[in-house]
Amino acid sequence: DGGITQSPKYLFRKEGQNVTLSCEQNLNHDAMYWYRQDPGQGLRLIYYSQIVNDFQKGDIAEGYSVSREKKESFPLTVTSAQKNPTAFYLCASSIGRRPQHFGDGTRLSIL
Amino acid sequence: GQQLNQSPQSMFIQEGEDVSMNCTSSSIFNTWLWYKQDPGEGPVLLIALYKAGELTSNGRLTAQFGITRKDSFLNISASIPSDVGIYFCAGQRFISNFGNEKLTFGTGTRLTIIP
Repeated sequence: DGGITQSPKYLFRKEGQNVTLSCEQNLNHDAMYWYRQDPGQGLRLIYYSQIVNDFQKGDIAEGYSVSREKKESFPLTVTSAQKNPTAFYLCASSIGRRPQHFGDGTRLSIL
Repeated sequence: GQQLNQSPQSMFIQEGEDVSMNCTSSSIFNTWLWYKQDPGEGPVLLIALYKAGELTSNGRLTAQFGITRKDSFLNISASIPSDVGIYFCAGQRFISNFGNEKLTFGTGTRLTIIP
């Protein structure tokens, strides 16, 4: 089945450590997105990519980095510069002007 | 970044009741979307609205794109237990000639069904 796969489902980070969240899609979508969700809040855009080898900062990019070397993959690195990384991270993809579809998320916690 | 004003924040209803929620914005959007999120999962698209004034149904769900393009509402009729979850509105606008969209989300409406 086509879809968006995020891994791992749960991730723990030690202080000062970088961690990378995986997002893979087999929908042949051009655009991919990363969102952060905190309890009781909506989704906030971290980074997005419209084509391979190109990406743009969203509303809350500080402390995060991304790459888009392949159309299918858009990994997100949460760096040690992100002081409050505990959150639910959601990846999405879309094609053209069609609605975005989401993966099932990765929950990141600090040890 | 902007978030949409979504209300109510939470609803406690009995099974079989109808539900209504809405979103408003100070900005115009090209498209309005409604998503449902279950705990620990990603949002799932319920309804997409593409034209001002459009009224669209998906089973027991009905949504409308406001005439001013700054608001939208979602109604759920005859609620059932599986309707429990968080409902998000999202406004969508074009960000480039690629046609790809940037979404602005509401803060969500948490629906609980009282036994």
